[in-house]
Order: sequence, then structure tokens, then C-alpha cells
Amino acid sequence: EVLLLESGGGLVQPGGSLRLSCAASGFTFSNYAMTWVRQAPGQGLEWVSAISGIDAGTFYADSVKGRFTISRDNSKNTLYLQMNSLRAEDTAIYYCVKVQEGVGASDYYMHVWGKGTTVTVSS
Amino acid sequence: QSVLTQPPSVSAAPGQKVTISCSASSSNIGNNYVSWYQQLPGTAPKLLIYDNNQRPSGIPDRFSGSKSGTSATLGIAGLQTGDEADYYCGTWDSSLSTWVFGGGTKLTVL
Repeated sequence: EVLLLESGGGLVQPGGSLRLSCAASGFTFSNYAMTWVRQAPGQGLEWVSAISGIDAGTFYADSVKGRFTISRDNSKNTLYLQMNSLRAEDTAIYYCVKVQEGVGASDYYMHVWGKGTTVTVSS
Repeated sequence: QSVLTQPPSVSAAPGQKVTISCSASSSNIGNNYVSWYQQLPGTAPKLLIYDNNQRPSGIPDRFSGSKSGTSATLGIAGLQTGDEADYYCGTWDSSLSTWVFGGGTKLTVL
């Protein structure tokens, strides 16, 4: 069974930093792209960042580019999200998601979701 | 503002069928595959449909997906009260190298 367990959320002041972790199990972690998706209170889903499996290429939403860094440690089956210069609008539940490639070109979908970790940015 | 447009809410009676649309403001849907996610109250989202019309194992065939041009549609037949949830469409926009979600649709089963 694929399991994704996020940790590292909490309360942080504006301008502060936080590092989220996602421990993965039940699949060959290094073979899969992974992504972070967030959901602000009462709002919809917002894609944050993604990292490919093999070459660890990274992708970011404009809203976090230059402030957040996604990384992975395939030896530890763990995904990370380093969040710097945090703002009130970064307050959200952050979900770790396993990405599955389909059969077509640029065919990706969000296969398995973790339960999420809550980040609150407030003074 | 979402790149993919969904109706904010839909409703129908138990046993009936409902459809949820997802339309693109650019070529992202037209060139790529659409997936759908169900988020039950207080829980994490779950994959419902992938590759426009494929159901993962364990998803009942009451749920269906289709795509035509720059629009996609999720269909839910034989509605049950347990289907009350938020539904999101999404796709990888290969031209922007970003993932995009619709704004979400709240389904109410009356």
C-alpha cells in the first residue's frame, strides 16, 4: 500500500521559514515524480511545486518561485519543501502527492495523496 | 483565478445523474490529459478519473469522464448522499510546465 506521511507544519511568523517533509512507503520512490499541493482555509486546491524522479528537475508555481525549494532524498524515501519568506497567504494545508505518468506525452496525474500538514503564518 | 473553469456548485436528487464541466482558457486541456479529484468533507483529495476517462481501481462505474476539445466533463450517475463533496479537475500544462486545477465544484445531493 502506498503511504505518504507529511510532517513539519506549524505556526510561523511572517518572514519566517519552515521545512516540510513527506515520508513515502509502499513504492519505489526514486521512480516517481512527486508534488506538493496546498489548500488555504475554505479555498480550492493550488499546485505548489513538483520534482521529477530520476533527474530531480523542479517546477514551481509563480506564487512561490524564489521562496520555496522542493527536494528529495531517494535514499530516505523522503520529499521536502523548504519554505522561506513566508507570508500570511501561504497559510494552508500542504499535501504531498505521488505523481503517476500515463501512456501519453505529458500525461500526468496525482495518483496518491497524503493526509496533509497544516502551515499557519501569523504574528 | 483558476485557469480551468468549473461551476461553483451543482445539485441533484439521490438516484439522479449530474455532470460537472471543466473548461480551459487556453490550450492546456486541448493538448493534455484531464484528471478529476474528489474531496469529501474534512479529508484529503482522492483521484477519481485520470487520462480523461479512466477510473482507478476501486472507483465505481457510476463515475465517468470525457473530454472534447478544450472542455472536460465529469459525470456521476445514481447519486448517493455519500457523493456530497468538492470535485476538482486538473491537468499538466506542458507549455507552462505547471499543473493547473479548476476552482472546484461543490456537489449537493438534495
